[in-house]
Parts: sequence; C-alpha cells; structure tokens
Amino acid sequence: DAKTTQPPSMDCAEGRAANLPCNHSTISGNEYVYWYRQIHSQGPQYIIHGLKNNETNEMASLIITEDRKSSTLILPHATLRDTAVYYCIVIGAGGTSYGKLTFGQGTILTVHP
Amino acid sequence: GAGVSQSPRYKVTKRGQDVALRCDPISGHVSLYWYRQALGQGPEFLTYFNYEAQQDKSGLPNDRFSAERPEGSISTLTIQRTEQRDSAMYRCASGDGGRTDTQYFGPGTRLTVL
Repeated sequence: DAKTTQPPSMDCAEGRAANLPCNHSTISGNEYVYWYRQIHSQGPQYIIHGLKNNETNEMASLIITEDRKSSTLILPHATLRDTAVYYCIVIGAGGTSYGKLTFGQGTILTVHP
Repeated sequence: GAGVSQSPRYKVTKRGQDVALRCDPISGHVSLYWYRQALGQGPEFLTYFNYEAQQDKSGLPNDRFSAERPEGSISTLTIQRTEQRDSAMYRCASGDGGRTDTQYFGPGTRLTVL
C-alpha cells in the first residue's frame, strides 16, 4: 500500500472549516484513500473514504486531486469535539489482507474556542 | 445498531500469566481484525479473519500470541506467558465486506502486565 504524509499538527478555530491535507504520491490505480480519527483513547473512528471522486457524508468531505497524489479532508464547521488525531490511510481493494490498515503518525487537530 | 464490543475493558495481570481478550464484532460482519496500540502510536496490525479462517497472522509478534474465531463471530486473542512488553491497548475491528472492507473499531482492552 502507498505511503502517506501528513502534517504532524494543525489548529482550527471552533466553527471554522478544518482542512487536513494528505500526500500519497505513490498511490496506484486500485487504491482507496481512507480517513479515520482517534479521539483521546477511544478506538479509531471511520470518517470517509474515496477512490477518485470527491465524497461527502454527514461527518466530512473528501477532496481528491485529479492526479490522486493528494487529498484533503474537510470538516466544514469544526467543534471542540473534533479535536483528535486524524489518520490518512491508502489501501488497495482485494487480496488476502485487503482491509489491513497501516496507521502512520497522523495529524493532531486541535480545535480552539 | 450495536457496535464492536470488547471485553474486558481493562486487564491487569502478572508476568507469566495467560490472558484471553474477547471481541464481539458487528452482527453480519464477516471479517475481523486485531490490532495492538502502544501509547502515542497508531494501531499496528496483528491478525485478520475472514469468517472462521485466519487469513493473515503476519503481525503476531511471536508464538505466545494466538487468535481464534471458531464460529466466524466472536474472536479471542490469547497471550501466553505474558511479559511486561505485552502491555498495550488491544483493538478489535470488524469489516463490512465492501471492496476495501471498511473497518469499525471497538473500544479496546487495556492490558497491563506487572
């Protein structure tokens, strides 16, 4: 699976949009971009995933560049409860361990009042 | 509906004892994963089941670690002759069976070996 690069930390004001970048320049054609977050010591929480089209759900939006080498997770109106470590993970479809997630260091997002 | 559950939530044991950690996946999820998470790090893959078949155990650190899922639902991760270095949070996730098997994690079991 392709390696991802994320900034170690970011700040955001409450109520503003939080835009978290991720670089995955070696992504291959059948690999998806996944985002998880982990709040304090809780289990990782699935946020969103996409292949090449932009995606939106009730939690966030995922914007993937046309060349698929980078993506941005957008939390449209950040709240204090969105303070967490955000992980961008690239994973391929199929194979005997096709769901195996490899977590990097992630981005620590701190939302300020 | 109910999410992934794990028990016990906390386990303190003495070095040399065996421990069994349980994972109850989301109903209908055929895949189940175990991860281990050290403090300040992301989870690391241990093993994966598809139904009752253990498809990948490449992440198990040594032969003191084993896992089973005999009926394709509940899974048990067993650590024999525990050592202090085994202290960590053990996470379980079940997958929805989609193209990339989106995983949903449980709350974890915090294992402390004294």
